[in-house]
Amino acid sequence: AQSVTQPDIHITVSEGASLELRCNYSYGATPYLFWYVQSPGQGLQLLLKYFSGDTLVQGIKGFEAEFKRSQSSFNLRKPSVHWSDAAEYFCAVGATAGNKLTFGGGTRVLVKP
Amino acid sequence: NAGVTQTPKFQVLKTGQSMTLQCAQDMNHEYMSWYRQDPGMGLRLIHYSVGAGITDQGEVPNGYNVSRSTTEDFPLRLLSAAPSQTSVYFCASRPTGVNTIYFGEGSWLTVV
Repeated sequence: AQSVTQPDIHITVSEGASLELRCNYSYGATPYLFWYVQSPGQGLQLLLKYFSGDTLVQGIKGFEAEFKRSQSSFNLRKPSVHWSDAAEYFCAVGATAGNKLTFGGGTRVLVKP
Repeated sequence: NAGVTQTPKFQVLKTGQSMTLQCAQDMNHEYMSWYRQDPGMGLRLIHYSVGAGITDQGEVPNGYNVSRSTTEDFPLRLLSAAPSQTSVYFCASRPTGVNTIYFGEGSWLTVV
């Protein structure tokens, strides 16, 4: 069975500092990996996705993520955080041709001025 | 093009009441699904559909029914609401052959 672990429930970061959110997955085949962001009271917005190819993936809002097969990880990074990045972030893994995503528990990011 | 539309956005139910959460998409997506979001647990799949007339259970289907009579609509029915069904519900869809899922804005349900 597939699973996703986001070890950090909360992260507090100062505006302008760098941010890294951890994601570890368990999946029997080649994973399709996603990062979503959810602002308070809002739905989920896709930040980026990885299917194959270059293991460093660029997304929207200045985010990037790196797929490391040997570590079963797909960590999300941003070099310089803005106050508007305060939100909850979800990592998810899906099948190659399915409709079922398995989500991690989420990491809530707080941004200090 | 409205994307994935969910109604209602907020609802309070009494235990034992029934209701239907509506989901509609205007993108002609074959795949549609319902997730529930609970604190610390991320989103969990309730039911999904791979096309009109076809539905299947996800990770947490108990207490919920779905049907898919058209490509556009995928309603989620709570037959007898329980406090454990207090949650935020998200409908999602994706086009055939593409592994990107598009989410609605969510429906906040409280069962008292």
